Amino acid sequence: EADIYQTPRYLVIGTGKKITLECSQTMGHDKMYWYQQDPGMELHLIHYSYGVNSTEKGDLSSESTVSRIRTEHFPLTLESARPSHTSQYLCASSDRTVLQGTQYFGPGTRLLVL
Amino acid sequence: KQEVTQIPAALSVPEGENLVLNCSFTDSAIYNLQWFRQDPGKGLTSLLLIQSSQREQTSGRLNASLDKSSGRSTLYIAASQPGDSATYLCAVLETSGSRLTFGEGTQLTVNP
Repeated sequence: EADIYQTPRYLVIGTGKKITLECSQTMGHDKMYWYQQDPGMELHLIHYSYGVNSTEKGDLSSESTVSRIRTEHFPLTLESARPSHTSQYLCASSDRTVLQGTQYFGPGTRLLVL
Repeated sequence: KQEVTQIPAALSVPEGENLVLNCSFTDSAIYNLQWFRQDPGKGLTSLLLIQSSQREQTSGRLNASLDKSSGRSTLYIAASQPGDSATYLCAVLETSGSRLTFGEGTQLTVNP
């Protein structure tokens, strides 16, 4: 139902590698979000964007960075992956503020850093 | 379509009071329910997560309950402090895991 995509779905990579997690949506939403979630644990917001060239850090401190050059893309980059980055990363988008309404989630990227 | 409602929209209490924030949702087919707080100009802070099979979760002075069959959750804050002043948001994740619906929040002010 939701037109939001994440690639790759699974990634196993060695320590020190640079990685980019892709997120794209075709719904024309201004707002996009990245969450980090460990199994059975809460969603933690790590980055959000309210539009092109707008990026903010979320609650959970993260060594990752994001960019928003185009409305439909919101990639997340780790310059040097570490085992502590192992987690699931979820991308979401909405057409309203985070205080209201519905966020649509992508399928997530499961990252394992060896 | 899932709808999440939070009552009250705003609440002002003196320091030290115990208080309850309410959240209701229309579709009981949820995967989990999460309470967040948001401080002005900042992102979300996760407070408590309750899985659909659980009845309550506690963290410090916070206690959240879930009654899935009636579509309700409450967040209980004991011995409120001025630092608790923020907007509190309830969000439900649908069973498909693809949609997180937020309520509109309760704006809490705790007066010294």
